[in-house]
Amino acid sequence: DAGVTQSPTHLIKTRGQQVTLRCSPKSGHDTVSWYQQALGQGPQFIFQYYEEEERQRGNFPDRFSGHQFPNYSSELNVNALLLGDSALYLCASSPVLGTEAFFGQGTRLTVV
Amino acid sequence: GIQVEQSPPDLILQEGANSTLRCNFSDSVNNLQWFHQNPWGQLINLFYIPSGTKQNGRLSATTVATERYSLLYISSSQTTDSGVYFCAVGGNQFYFGTGTSLTVIP
Repeated sequence: DAGVTQSPTHLIKTRGQQVTLRCSPKSGHDTVSWYQQALGQGPQFIFQYYEEEERQRGNFPDRFSGHQFPNYSSELNVNALLLGDSALYLCASSPVLGTEAFFGQGTRLTVV
Repeated sequence: GIQVEQSPPDLILQEGANSTLRCNFSDSVNNLQWFHQNPWGQLINLFYIPSGTKQNGRLSATTVATERYSLLYISSSQTTDSGVYFCAVGGNQFYFGTGTSLTVIP
């Protein structure tokens, strides 16, 4: 059983560009959440998708957007990248909204 | 949002020693998980423990939800236990602490 998978694993982008990160949830999971982890910090909640709709959102600007597809996979899009967007982006999936979460290996984004 | 405090922030142990990591949180929660973050960044599930006590090998955890804290016990520590341990609490979304960085030396 494949766990949560994310792609790509590493990414370097230039300030002002746009980026798309991808996540496939664990088999049988229909809820996907995204987190941003800055160096030396704990992960911070960006948003959560369930039934292809954004259900909750953390304190992140509109430059951060997402999507969930009918197969429950998800994308995180970040527009107009800033240097401060450099971080590890983690995707988590859950079998039911509000239950145990399982995380992917993350995508390390560097903005130069 | 919910405030999560983890202590100690850093811990250095001799191999074979025992340790207790603490997580305090500011509001009642439906979910609580302990994770070990490996050097490559992946969060490894240790316990899903909104309340009560669980054990898995050398690790055990206790959550006292009414008093808003959780404890992670590591016994007979090994060098492979090194890394950052996170407590995450919440309902539908998780709030993370800043972690406890554990170093186990041979």
